[in-house]
Amino acid sequence: AQSVSQHNHHVILSEAASLELGCNYSYGGTVNLFWYVQYPGQHLQLLLKYFSGDPLVKGIKGFEAEFIKSKFSFNLRKPSVQWSDTAEYFCAVNPTSGTYKYIFGTGTRLKVLA
Amino acid sequence: DTEVTQTPKHLVMGMTNKKSLKCEQHMGHRAMYWYKQKAKKPPELMFVYSYEKLSINESVPSRFSPECPNSSLLNLHLHALQPEDSALYLCASSQADSRNGYTFGSGTRLTVV
Repeated sequence: AQSVSQHNHHVILSEAASLELGCNYSYGGTVNLFWYVQYPGQHLQLLLKYFSGDPLVKGIKGFEAEFIKSKFSFNLRKPSVQWSDTAEYFCAVNPTSGTYKYIFGTGTRLKVLA
Repeated sequence: DTEVTQTPKHLVMGMTNKKSLKCEQHMGHRAMYWYKQKAKKPPELMFVYSYEKLSINESVPSRFSPECPNSSLLNLHLHALQPEDSALYLCASSQADSRNGYTFGSGTRLTVV
């Protein structure tokens, strides 16, 4: 069965620390990959996406992610986090084989201490 | 307009009630979605409409009935719900090519009493 794993369920960092959130998926075919963020009390927003080309993609608010096909991974990074990055982060996978379906990971709750 | 608007924002209903959730977008997106999100869990897909036709139903109980009257509107009709159906119901839309990602609404927080 297709699945998406986010290894870190809760992450606590101090401001200016570097961030890396893991995401691995199990699907043998071609996929589109996404990271979404959900700030407290707000709706899900798209941070960044990958569907082809350069495996290092840059998103909004200084986030970037790297697609490593051989590892079925799409990890999210930010060199220096801010208190305002406190949120829940979801990785999502969309198989390209003619489906609109997204499979979401279980989410990582990030808390940044001021 | 780059938003997905959901109404109402909060809804409390009894198990014998009939209610509807509404979702609207004016971005020209041709795919629309209903997701259910329980606390501290990821969104779970319920239904997908593509070009106003139901294309995915993730084995959702019949007490949830989706409707897509036109390309801008998506409804979710609720009847005889159970307390375990209490959750945040999210609407999303995307271009026909879903690789550009979804735009999500703020959700309707539903409580079944």
